Amino acid sequence: QVQLVQSGAEVKRPGSSVRVSCKVSGGTFSSHAITWLRQAPGQGPEWLGGIIPAFPSTNYAQKFRGRVTITADASTSTSYMDLNSLRSDDTAVYYCAREADGSFWVYWGQGTLVTVSS
Amino acid sequence: DIVMTQSPDSLAVSLGERATINCKSSQSVLHRSNGKSCLAWYQQKPGQPPKLLISWASARESGVPDRFSGSGSGTDFTLTISSLQAEDVAVYYCQQHYSPPTFGQGTRLEIK
Repeated sequence: QVQLVQSGAEVKRPGSSVRVSCKVSGGTFSSHAITWLRQAPGQGPEWLGGIIPAFPSTNYAQKFRGRVTITADASTSTSYMDLNSLRSDDTAVYYCAREADGSFWVYWGQGTLVTVSS
Repeated sequence: DIVMTQSPDSLAVSLGERATINCKSSQSVLHRSNGKSCLAWYQQKPGQPPKLLISWASARESGVPDRFSGSGSGTDFTLTISSLQAEDVAVYYCQQHYSPPTFGQGTRLEIK
């Protein structure tokens, strides 16, 4: 059974950075793309980008290019999402998810609330 | 990016009745290689991540009740719940998985 477990909630100041981790158990970590999404209060999910650990290759949404970095550590089956230059509108629940046979997601982490506030 | 627009924004349906949610994409999401539309539907309940119901416009995910069905192709899609149950109260999102992935704004489904 595939499970994705994320790190805990964070409170950050504007201009700082945040790292969220996502540990995957079950299945083969390197062969499935890991995607990062976020969901602001009352809004639909938003795709940030993803990584295929086996290569590794990354793909980022144009909106976040230069501000987000997604990495993967196959030795610990963990993916990381770093977001810098945080602003108040980055306040959201951040999710990792594992791709199926296309850019849609069956397996999700539980979500990590990142609050950006002065 | 492809813009996904859902209608209505909210919907109230009586138990046992049919619920229909529509989703329109700003351009075709038809996958050239397999002829299928790259459209997924999710259900989200408070405090939970989205749950995949349907992919490729009409392929129901394993374990999803057969009262949920997806239809449509190209730019216009529909999610139908044939007989609403109390546990179906949630927000529903469509998502195109053509490239890059984008979601609709959501439809809140309630009991009338």
